[in-house]
Amino acid sequence: EPEVTQTPSHQVTQMGQEVILRCVPISNHLYFYWYRQILGQKVEFLVSFYNNEISEKSEIFDDQFSVERPDGSNFTLKIRSTKLEDSAMYFCASNLDREPRAFFGQGTRLTVV
Amino acid sequence: QQPVQSPQAVILREGEDAVINCSSSKALYSVHWYRQKHGEAPVFLMILLKGGEQKGHDKISASFNEKKQQSSLYLTASQLSYSGTYFCIEGGSNYKLTFGKGTLLTVNP
Repeated sequence: EPEVTQTPSHQVTQMGQEVILRCVPISNHLYFYWYRQILGQKVEFLVSFYNNEISEKSEIFDDQFSVERPDGSNFTLKIRSTKLEDSAMYFCASNLDREPRAFFGQGTRLTVV
Repeated sequence: QQPVQSPQAVILREGEDAVINCSSSKALYSVHWYRQKHGEAPVFLMILLKGGEQKGHDKISASFNEKKQQSSLYLTASQLSYSGTYFCIEGGSNYKLTFGKGTLLTVNP
């Protein structure tokens, strides 16, 4: 089965630093997403991206966050000036056009210290 | 507004059956079921798109009622590997997923 790949698997950063989480969606997929799961809580939608622009974002996705698809294969989530409460598992997902099933990456565990 | 799951947690002995329910105040475009084990990514189980649909594989199946506001996941003859958190998820526009809070299923020997 095709896979969504995320790197790194675990990132530790100091409060106030910037981090970039990377994702390689499945090659022919057109819709891309970031989700976040704080330890022990539910998975929360952050942002969706289609046709090289954000199609929807949640209230969590404020100016601290940005997404980019810099080269046609990678899909990145940048978190500026990280806070302790940004510590979470971040999942990337992608969809084919007209196909509702999402394919999830294995996640990046971000720990802000 | 997220779908509401019940129960929040269930403990089974191996071989027992379980039902996890999911409801929404509005008709859902689609309902997705995923299972997540601790520290891992959610794993896709199935999608239901049509009112009245039933779907299943092996001993795990699901239904979607005619009004598309309720879905249930059926786990029969549970195995130890079924343990995890089960999420009912609303599929929305642009395929965005809205997760429920999950049901923690524990299967004991």
